[in-house]
Amino acid sequence: DTGVSQDPRHKITKRGQNVTFRCDPISEHNRLYWYRQTLGQGPEFLTYFQNEAQLEKSRLLSDRFSAERPKGSFSTLEIQRTEQGDSAMYLCASTVPGRQQNTEAFFGQGTRLTVV
Amino acid sequence: AQSVTQPDIHITVSEGASLELRCNYSYGATPYLFWYVQSPGQGLQLLLKYFSGDTLVQGIKGFEAEFKRSQSSFNLRKPSVHWSDAAEYFCAVGPNDYKLSFGAGTTVTVRA
Repeated sequence: DTGVSQDPRHKITKRGQNVTFRCDPISEHNRLYWYRQTLGQGPEFLTYFQNEAQLEKSRLLSDRFSAERPKGSFSTLEIQRTEQGDSAMYLCASTVPGRQQNTEAFFGQGTRLTVV
Repeated sequence: AQSVTQPDIHITVSEGASLELRCNYSYGATPYLFWYVQSPGQGLQLLLKYFSGDTLVQGIKGFEAEFKRSQSSFNLRKPSVHWSDAAEYFCAVGPNDYKLSFGAGTTVTVRA
């Protein structure tokens, strides 16, 4: 297993376009998290899934943001009508459920989005 | 509400010298605290975590952190830094899952 995989690693898009990012978690990790990291800041939690169920989405930044995990394996994060303020690194992490002291969340290398 | 403050944006340290990175948190219950490291082009890697018990926590790469409830702090230390420790370090706090709140990070530069 090579860890959490994110695709693409870099994306440049024009303002107003839609973009979709993919995250493949470590196999058998049924919890998956999305974070956003802007320049000079730490990651900011967006949403997470347990299997295919999205357990929290209130922290998604606007209704332009949506995430899915249809089969409980990979996940996608979509941003519609991108704005320059969406430029950031989008990180994915996965873990197994359980007591936090016994688990670790593994992060992918992220997708860097640039909106021009 | 939960939040983390890392007062130092950037620290420069000589190779072989000791390193201490500060972290202050705000959390309404017993905090779960973490330190992560992020190298350029790499994902976040967990250095160590604290949940309960011994307030001095040992992690990977020779790092340790001390939880001080009275000061709401969880400072990271390393007795002797190596050039490979140059990276960005993030302190995080969360509930009993990984919906974490991260600090803004401290960039560590190691000079020869």
